[in-house]
Amino acid sequence: DAGVTQSPTHLIKTRGQHVTLRCSPISGHKSVSWYQQVLGQGPQFIFQYYEKEERGRGNFPDRFSARQFPNYSSELNVNALLLGDSALYLCASSLSGVSTYEQYFGPGTRLTVT
Amino acid sequence: AQSVAQPEDQVNVAEGNPLTVKCTYSVSGNPYLFWYVQYPNRGLQFLLKYITGDNLVKGSYGFEAEFNKSQTSFHLKKPSALVSDSALYFCAVRDPNTNAGKSTFGDGTTLTVKP
Repeated sequence: DAGVTQSPTHLIKTRGQHVTLRCSPISGHKSVSWYQQVLGQGPQFIFQYYEKEERGRGNFPDRFSARQFPNYSSELNVNALLLGDSALYLCASSLSGVSTYEQYFGPGTRLTVT
Repeated sequence: AQSVAQPEDQVNVAEGNPLTVKCTYSVSGNPYLFWYVQYPNRGLQFLLKYITGDNLVKGSYGFEAEFNKSQTSFHLKKPSALVSDSALYFCAVRDPNTNAGKSTFGDGTTLTVKP
């Protein structure tokens, strides 16, 4: 079975631009979470979606938004990009929204803002 | 608020020796604890978890971890390290009483196993 897939792999944007990152969960997984990983740090929680509804939001500004589609894939949108948004963005899927389930991570999208 | 500390940025061991990667946590209720490994240019890969029950949990690739409630620790261990174990290791915690999807990660420990 395919794992979690993310696109694009790499992305270079200019300050002020908008970006959309995409994630396809493992087949059968209904929960998708997004994390931001800055070099030298652990992943920071951005959003969780379960059954197309937002179930949690981390301490990120409103420039960050996300959604989940009927096929459980997800998009993360970031508006008005800042240099500090440069990071590896990770998508993780799990069977359900219950916190006992481990998460399966995609390879990430490396975003560079210049 | 939940938090995780990995006190060692780097752990170096010789191949064949036992290894320990330390993790301590803070959470309001009973914690759900996880270990993940990250190889260069890859996403995180699940190793093992503690939810309830036996304090010693076994996971992938011969790794195990011991939950110690009194010390609020969840150290990752392996009896005999391999060079291929060299990677970045993350400990994570979830508070079952709050946001189910939010995992709080430590900043990671780089494990280097030398031949």
